Amino acid sequence: EDQVTQSPEALRLQEGESSSLNCSYTVSGLRGLFWYRQDPGKGPEFLFTLYSAGEEKEKERLKATLTKKESFLHITAPKPEDSATYLCAVFSSGNTGKLIFGQGTTLQVKP
Amino acid sequence: DTGVSQNPRHKITKRGQNVTFRCDPISEHNRLYWYRQTLGQGPEFLTYFQNEAQLEKSRLLSDRFSAERPKGSFSTLEIQRTEQGDSAMYLCASSGPGSYEQYFGPGTRLTVT
Repeated sequence: EDQVTQSPEALRLQEGESSSLNCSYTVSGLRGLFWYRQDPGKGPEFLFTLYSAGEEKEKERLKATLTKKESFLHITAPKPEDSATYLCAVFSSGNTGKLIFGQGTTLQVKP
Repeated sequence: DTGVSQNPRHKITKRGQNVTFRCDPISEHNRLYWYRQTLGQGPEFLTYFQNEAQLEKSRLLSDRFSAERPKGSFSTLEIQRTEQGDSAMYLCASSGPGSYEQYFGPGTRLTVT
């Protein structure tokens, strides 16, 4: 059964303090790994798609990387507006279309 | 705004009542998905349409739940005889031909009292 585990569950950073969020996955043939940002009371906002080990994607202060077992979301010099829940999801060859999500990491960046 | 839209945004209902939610996907997206999200958890898959065909349903989708996409455009999700355990955020997403990337709507927050 496909599984996604994110750690830590919650992370508090000072503004400017860089860190990484982890997403570990077990899937039967990875076809894509996705990162989303979710603000309270809103739907997830698409950030990145990674397709194969070694791939990296960047957007502003965020950088996502992928290995055969996990993905990292690196946050460089975060700002308070980066505070949100970050969700990781996988799409595997065993599925017709659904994404399997982790439980998310809630990030709080203090000024 | 050309993103995914959902209505209503909030719904409060009494236990035992029926509710219906609507989702309008991004124009020309042929795939549409429904997910349910409870507090502190990631979204859980409910069902998936390609055009008007419902291709997959989760075991989470009991007989009280039904979804339609009659003309391959908007979709509706109906919950009959609501229970307190149905209280959650119901999310709709869509993706285009040849793409795995799913774009989510703002969700419908259901509260069953």
